[in-house]
Amino acid sequence: DTAVSQTPKYLVTQMGNDKSIKCEQNLGHDTMYWYKQDSKKFLKIMFSYNNKELIINETVPNRFSPKSPDKAHLNLHINSLELGDSAVYFCASTNHGEETQYFGPGTRLLVL
Amino acid sequence: DQQVKQNSPSLSVQEGRISILNCDYTNSMFDYFLWYKKYPAEGPTFLISISSIKDKNEDGRFTVFLNKSAKHLSLHIVPSQPGDSAVYFCAASFQGAQKLVFGQGTRLTINP
Repeated sequence: DTAVSQTPKYLVTQMGNDKSIKCEQNLGHDTMYWYKQDSKKFLKIMFSYNNKELIINETVPNRFSPKSPDKAHLNLHINSLELGDSAVYFCASTNHGEETQYFGPGTRLLVL
Repeated sequence: DQQVKQNSPSLSVQEGRISILNCDYTNSMFDYFLWYKKYPAEGPTFLISISSIKDKNEDGRFTVFLNKSAKHLSLHIVPSQPGDSAVYFCAASFQGAQKLVFGQGTRLTINP
């Protein structure tokens, strides 16, 4: 049973396109995150949602719009993709007040 | 502004010996520290953590040491096994932040 799952695992697309990445967790957690791992391998937080409400937005361009339909899902929609958006995007989850986060397998996005 | 630093991008250790991975931080507000292990094409997996009220935490072959005055922590793996070959990320958080700040990772290779 996969605890945190992401789809798709790989995504290759052209500049200017719009794409979505989906995340689901079956751990019963109430807080979910999106992280970006760039070409220098840094893992940086982008967004955090608690009980479907946005609680952290780390100065991410408006082209990125997260959506949480329920506690178990957090999707990421990216408009007008740019070359610099190429990265690995990780979803994570935890319970509010706990520090340990559990990560999904990542979505490898390549923008051509 | 890199608040968590892992200055060794790679480390090579012989099987059976001790592996020591290091991490430095600059933000004195951090009060919780975690180590994650990452295999290629997978998400980071939680390994071990330590609260700032402790200076050592042990779990089987893994021990994390925290030196608050030096703002330094280390992960000791003994004895090292081939399956330990992975990228290890140090992460830090503080109460209420609900986010992790990661170092850039150290690639550990265990040689037979």
